[in-house]
Amino acid sequence: QVQLMESGGGVVHPGRSLRLTCAASGFAFSNYAMNWVRQSPGQGLEWVAFISYDGSTKDYVDSVKGRFTISRDNSRNTLYLEMNSLRVDDTAVYYCAREGHTTELQTFDIWGQGTKVGVSP
Amino acid sequence: DIQMTQSPSTLSASVGDRLTITCRASQNINDWLAWYQQKPGKAPKLLIYRASNLQSGVPSRFSGSGSGTEFTLTINSLQPDDFATYYCQQYNFYWTFGQGTKVEIK
Repeated sequence: QVQLMESGGGVVHPGRSLRLTCAASGFAFSNYAMNWVRQSPGQGLEWVAFISYDGSTKDYVDSVKGRFTISRDNSRNTLYLEMNSLRVDDTAVYYCAREGHTTELQTFDIWGQGTKVGVSP
Repeated sequence: DIQMTQSPSTLSASVGDRLTITCRASQNINDWLAWYQQKPGKAPKLLIYRASNLQSGVPSRFSGSGSGTEFTLTINSLQPDDFATYYCQQYNFYWTFGQGTKVEIK
């Protein structure tokens, strides 16, 4: 079945780095744009990063620009989020989410189960 | 940035009730609006897209309406499985979510 599975979360000190991974299965990963979305008690749900189906276009929420990098390996059906210079307010559950294939459905139709990231002094 | 505001924040209801949740956008988003359901410890699940289109597999007791800046999610005949938190989300310009409406048992 269609599935996304995140890994790589953990607890780190401010200023450190983490790399999140999202493994996709059950669909043609290389045909879909992908996103990272995070959820924290204080900020609710927040879109973080976008990557087009072929990796040629990327975009980020302002608060992570210059610190986070989204990438993908279509040969491995895998999405990544490299997070550098982590801050306390990056603490959240991070979800990878597939963007729908049609113009009407250019939002998040499939989500992973999430991976927790904690940034603590 | 487009801000999304939901009301109410919490809603107490009983099985069989008809519920309406409202979402307001800070500017015109046409009908580029989605609704999600989230249960504790789980990822959000897409219910409605393009304001009124039911996602595949979602029960027909869920419906959405609205355009421009005012939108509603209606649940007819609330079922035990429907107690959850509901989020609206605009995708007219990037993606932003409302703060959520928790539907709890009265």
